[in-house]
Amino acid sequence: EAGVTQSPTHLIKTRGQQATLRCSPISGHTSVYWYQQALGLGLQFLLWYDEGEERNRGNFPPRFSGRQFPNYSSELNVNALELEDSALYLCAGTGEEIYNSPLHFGNGTRLTVT
Amino acid sequence: GDSVTQMEGPVTLSEEAFLTINCTYTATGYPSLFWYVQYPGEGLQLLLKATKADDKGSNKGFEATYRKETTSFHLEKGSVQVSDSAVYFCALSEKTGRRALTFGSGTRLQVQP
Repeated sequence: EAGVTQSPTHLIKTRGQQATLRCSPISGHTSVYWYQQALGLGLQFLLWYDEGEERNRGNFPPRFSGRQFPNYSSELNVNALELEDSALYLCAGTGEEIYNSPLHFGNGTRLTVT
Repeated sequence: GDSVTQMEGPVTLSEEAFLTINCTYTATGYPSLFWYVQYPGEGLQLLLKATKADDKGSNKGFEATYRKETTSFHLEKGSVQVSDSAVYFCALSEKTGRRALTFGSGTRLQVQP
């Protein structure tokens, strides 16, 4: 069974540009979560998609947005990039309620904003 | 809001030493509690979980007990190995509401031979 795949592995952008990050969960997993892992700050919850709908979002500005496609893959878009957006962005999926089952994480996309 | 506090690292131990990584939490309800581990170059993976008070999660020699009275979920292992070197994250999930994992900041463990 293929794991969670994220692309690209690394992304370098200039301040003010837009970044698009992609995630494919494990087959059968309908929920996708996005997290930001900035240095020294742990994982901060960004967005939760389930069955194609945005179910919840963390405390991030609206320039962080995304969507989930009919095949349950997902895309995270970051507009008007700022230097502090430099971080590892992790995608995770599950097919069950997360309070009782594991999240399956990808290896992340390292975004660098210069 | 919900929060998780972990001891800061790095924690450096010799092989076969006893490990404790402290984790305390703040939550409005009765959350499920988790430990995730991130090995070098890999994504996070679930190490163990506990879904109610007094439950003990265990896996690969690691254990953690859900202590509601002290709002804690400390990770322990009796004898660490070099292969246990990784970053360990404590996390919680409410059973209703937002239903997203809230993570601590992570604790890096380095085990020396």
